[in-house]
Amino acid sequence: GQNIDQPTEMTATEGAIVQINCTYQTSGFNGLFWYQQHAGEAPTFLSYNVLDGLEEKGRFSSFLSRSKGYSYLLLKELQMKDSASYLCAVVNQAGTALIFGKGTTLSVSS
Amino acid sequence: DADVTQTPRNRITKTGKRIMLECSQTKGHDRMYWYRQDPGLGLRLIYYSFDVKDINKGEISDGYSVSRQAQAKFSLSLESAIPNQTALYFCATSDENRPSYEQYFGPGTRLTVT
Repeated sequence: GQNIDQPTEMTATEGAIVQINCTYQTSGFNGLFWYQQHAGEAPTFLSYNVLDGLEEKGRFSSFLSRSKGYSYLLLKELQMKDSASYLCAVVNQAGTALIFGKGTTLSVSS
Repeated sequence: DADVTQTPRNRITKTGKRIMLECSQTKGHDRMYWYRQDPGLGLRLIYYSFDVKDINKGEISDGYSVSRQAQAKFSLSLESAIPNQTALYFCATSDENRPSYEQYFGPGTRLTVT
């Protein structure tokens, strides 16, 4: 089967850097996604990693190590609007859909 | 205009009632999905469809059915609603021509079953 683990909650202050970790177990690997979801809203795409290494996109970066079954999302220069849930997802074993983790709720304070 | 729309946005219904949630998209994507989201449980896949003639069960399909009326429309039905189907429901689409499975989500339908 497939399993995805990420911390339930994290807190940080404005301007800081925060790293949200995600570990996964899957038979076969077709890529890992990070989504951002503000309370009561739809998830929105942040990043996609299929090869090992770091993908940088503005203040957000995502890292993948396939051998360790590990990814992290790095958020720099935190802003209040970054307070949201961050969802880690992997492509399912059949390669037909995404399997989501339970999400990490990040609270940014001033 | 939104690319993926869901109707209704909010619905309160009673136990035993039949209810349909509708999803429409203008993205031209072949693949469509229905998820439910519950606090502490994340997004879970109910059904997905890769084209009008292709319907597949997800991890939690019991108590639900779907209809793919056209490429752009994918409906989710609860034949006899029960309180534990109270949740936030999301429709999503993806493009089969992309190597990844990036999904585009609708705004969600908040369903309450009393």
